[in-house]
Amino acid sequence: GAVVSQHPSWVICKSGTSVKIECRSLDFQATTMFWYRQFPKQSLMLMATSNEGSKATYEQGVEKDKFLINHASLTLSTLTVTSAHPEDSSFYICSARSAVAKNIQYFGAGTRLSVL
Amino acid sequence: GQNIDQPTEMTATEGAIVQINCTYQTSGFNGLFWYQQHAGEAPTFLSYNVLDGLEEKGRFSSFLSRSKGYSYLLLKELQMKDSASYLCAVRDSRALGKLSFGAGTTVTVRA
Repeated sequence: GAVVSQHPSWVICKSGTSVKIECRSLDFQATTMFWYRQFPKQSLMLMATSNEGSKATYEQGVEKDKFLINHASLTLSTLTVTSAHPEDSSFYICSARSAVAKNIQYFGAGTRLSVL
Repeated sequence: GQNIDQPTEMTATEGAIVQINCTYQTSGFNGLFWYQQHAGEAPTFLSYNVLDGLEEKGRFSSFLSRSKGYSYLLLKELQMKDSASYLCAVRDSRALGKLSFGAGTTVTVRA
């Protein structure tokens, strides 16, 4: 299957700081990328849909000013958690959709964010 | 939106077969996906069904009936490494092709 690289895999930060997470599609072009959040023993919650060259579409209840998404190229999308607080601690997972491979979504390895 | 239901937990013994059912309701069905997720890791793609019928891939098979809003994932010859959460996800063409996920079924394989 297609490869999606996500970095960092684990980050610990102080409350009030910002954290940037990168998501790259390594062997395919992804016009659309998705950002999910997952709490322990729960399913994935879609935060936003990111389209290359345009503004991200956020799901209801997700603060766009807090979770900044940039999709500047066909292979890279970034999620920045601004002014992080302990309640933002979670597992963040990106996903890229391959237009070539039946529009299947492939996931990155995830980023575990711990805000102290 | 979609209502996606799947059992919370299932337990089976090594070498056995387990079937995970998934029912859904959607206004613009455009494919059903099964993913495997080990604890603390991201989901990995298992199968994709958009037409009715059975898709077989090694020890894993997935079935779809669009008229019934029903799918199942069949895991044969269970191995200990198959212990994981299995996520059913439905794509809605009327929702920008977004995937909606079920809560996941935790499968525990015992020796």
